[in-house]
Amino acid sequence: EVQLVESGGGLVKPGGSLRLSCAASGFTFTNAWMSWVRQAPGKGLEWVGRLKSKTDGGTTDYAAPVKGRFTISRDDSKNTLYLQMNSLKTEDTAVYYCTTDTGSDYGRKFEYWGQGTLVTVSS
Amino acid sequence: QSVLTQPPSVSGAPGQRVTISCTASSSNIGAGYDVHWYQQLPGTAPKLLIYGNSNRPSGVPDRFSGSKSGTSASLAITGLQAEDEADYYCQSYDSSLSAPYVFGTGTKVTVL
Repeated sequence: EVQLVESGGGLVKPGGSLRLSCAASGFTFTNAWMSWVRQAPGKGLEWVGRLKSKTDGGTTDYAAPVKGRFTISRDDSKNTLYLQMNSLKTEDTAVYYCTTDTGSDYGRKFEYWGQGTLVTVSS
Repeated sequence: QSVLTQPPSVSGAPGQRVTISCTASSSNIGAGYDVHWYQQLPGTAPKLLIYGNSNRPSGVPDRFSGSKSGTSASLAITGLQAEDEADYYCQSYDSSLSAPYVFGTGTKVTVL
């Protein structure tokens, strides 16, 4: 059974930093592309960024609102995905979901989701 | 900024059929990219409901179906049940944006 368990959320002041973790199990994490998706309170889903498997280059892509502030990384030895969030803004307040990112170039989808972790940016 | 437009809400009585549209542009769905659908029950994480326009993951009831035509896609729920009350999102790929993945605006389904 695939499991994704996020942790690390909490309350942080504007301008602060936070690192989220996502512990993965039940699939071959080393081969997986992974994404982070967020949902602001009462709002829709927003893709944050993705990290390809090392086999596929290990590169990252980010949504414009977080580019230059957020960094996604992975530790394949620990089956763990990370989201380092710096220079946080109030508009980053959201539940952050870790997801598997599967499919082909014409049909990538978010197949499995974690339960989410809440990040609140407020003074 | 979403470029996939969904109706904010749809409703139906138990047993009825409802459809949710997902209207896009030529740079995403119209360019041949697949559409996927997610169901988000209240207070829970989203769940993949339909992938590759019309395919159901294992365990998803066959009363859920998806289709795609041109620059739009649709999700249909037949035999509506109380437990189908949730938010539904479409998702695709967009070649014109800096972000390769795009979600729909979301639709709240209410069972009357």
